[in-house]
Amino acid sequence: GEDVEQSLFLSVREGDSSVINCTYTDSSSTYLYWYKQEPGAGLQLLTYIFSNMDMKQDQRLTVLLNKKDKHLSLRIADTQTGDSAIYFCAEAPLVGSGTYKYIFGTGTRLKVLA
Amino acid sequence: EAGVAQSPRYKIIEKRQSVAFWCNPISGHATLYWYQQILGQGPKLLIQFQNNGVVDDSQLPKDRFSAERLKGVDSTLKIQPAKLEDSAVYLCASSARGLAGLRYNEQFFGPGTRLTVL
Repeated sequence: GEDVEQSLFLSVREGDSSVINCTYTDSSSTYLYWYKQEPGAGLQLLTYIFSNMDMKQDQRLTVLLNKKDKHLSLRIADTQTGDSAIYFCAEAPLVGSGTYKYIFGTGTRLKVLA
Repeated sequence: EAGVAQSPRYKIIEKRQSVAFWCNPISGHATLYWYQQILGQGPKLLIQFQNNGVVDDSQLPKDRFSAERLKGVDSTLKIQPAKLEDSAVYLCASSARGLAGLRYNEQFFGPGTRLTVL
C-alpha cells in the first residue's frame, strides 16, 4: 500500500529537542523529504535525505534514515516557539514516466510550549 | 523568484454547484501537481502534469473533477458538481525537471485554496 505513517501530535518545551518519526512504504524512493506547514500556508521543504545516506545534519535539523525498517526521523535541536507547525514526511518513488510521485504522511502537529 | 500563485484563496459553495481553481506555477517549472488536503490529513495527489501532458491522475475522481494545463503553464482544476466531502484545501505545487543537483525534484507549494461545501 501507499501509507506513510506519522504520530499525530508532539508537545515539547522551548529549548528541548523534538523528534518526529515517520514510517514509509516504498523502498525505491531516491529521496525522502520533510516539509513544514504553518497555519494557512502551503508546505515548505525543510530538508531531504538521499536514500543512500543514514544521516544528514542541517543546522538545527538532523535526519536519520533506517532503510531496513523504512523509518525516517527528524530531530529539531533547541526547539523554538516558531517551530510550532505541522511536519510532513514524504517519499517520492520514481514512476514509469521518469518523474517522481510524492506520497505524504498524515502530518505531526508540533506544539512548542514557552 | 515569484512563487506558486493560486486563486481564489477561499471559496464557499453549496453542494451540487461548480467551482474552479487556478494555479500559476513558478516560471520554467515543467511539472505541476494538484493536491487535496482534507483537514487533519496529509496532501493527497489528485493529478500530476509534465508540461501539458498528464502523468498521473489515478486518484482524481473523474466523474466530477477535471483539470487542464494550458500550454504547459497555468492550470485549472474544476469540480462539477461539488459534494460535501470535497471540502478541503486544494494545493498546487510545481517542480523543475532536469536541473543538476540533488534538489532538482523539490516541489514548491502555493498557499492553497480553501473550499467549503455547504
